[in-house]
Amino acid sequence: QVRLVESGGDLVKPGGSLRLSCEVSGFTFSDYYMSWIRQAPGKGLEWVAYIGPTGSTINTADSLKGRFSISRDNAKNFLFLQINSLRAEDTAVYYCARHDFWTGSSPYLDFWGQGALVTVSS
Amino acid sequence: QSVLTQTPSASGAPGQRVTITCSGGSSNIRTNSVYWYQHVPGAAPKLLIYDTDQRPSGVPDRFSGSKSGTSASLAISGLRSEDEAHYYCAVWDNKLSVLFGGGTKLTVL
Repeated sequence: QVRLVESGGDLVKPGGSLRLSCEVSGFTFSDYYMSWIRQAPGKGLEWVAYIGPTGSTINTADSLKGRFSISRDNAKNFLFLQINSLRAEDTAVYYCARHDFWTGSSPYLDFWGQGALVTVSS
Repeated sequence: QSVLTQTPSASGAPGQRVTITCSGGSSNIRTNSVYWYQHVPGAAPKLLIYDTDQRPSGVPDRFSGSKSGTSASLAISGLRSEDEAHYYCAVWDNKLSVLFGGGTKLTVL
């Protein structure tokens, strides 16, 4: 069955960096667009970025460009999110999610992980 | 502040029908399909509606989606206690970025 498991969440000081990982199984990872979505405490879902099947297509939320970088390793079935210059407002649960095969990068997110908590605090 | 506006909260008694709305604009809802997600705290979000009015297999037909102009709606009929959750609309914008609404917390009285 399809599984997405995030890891790498941690307590980080402001200004620090962090790389989140999402290990997937149960499907052909290299066929799918993948996204990161986050949810800050008491807030709603916020899309962060998506990456195409080969990694050549990347789209990042305008408000997060410059500090957030999405990447993937199709050989090892991993999705990554690099976050630099972390701020308190980056504190959130970060989810990885799979896009529907047929609609590519559309908001059709058919499988989600359970999330990884990132806390930014001194 | 999300580009897609949802009423922060909604409520209904068991068995009732509730409608949650999502207001957007010409560059998103008017021209693109709308998606709806259910999010129970502590669990992964779940897709309820795709392509504005289609249900994935396994989603009860109590859930239905529609849109008119720049607004979309999610209707839940025969309300049940397990429907208590947060509901989010989502849509592509004109830059093919994914937009989520601010979310609606549904309380089953």
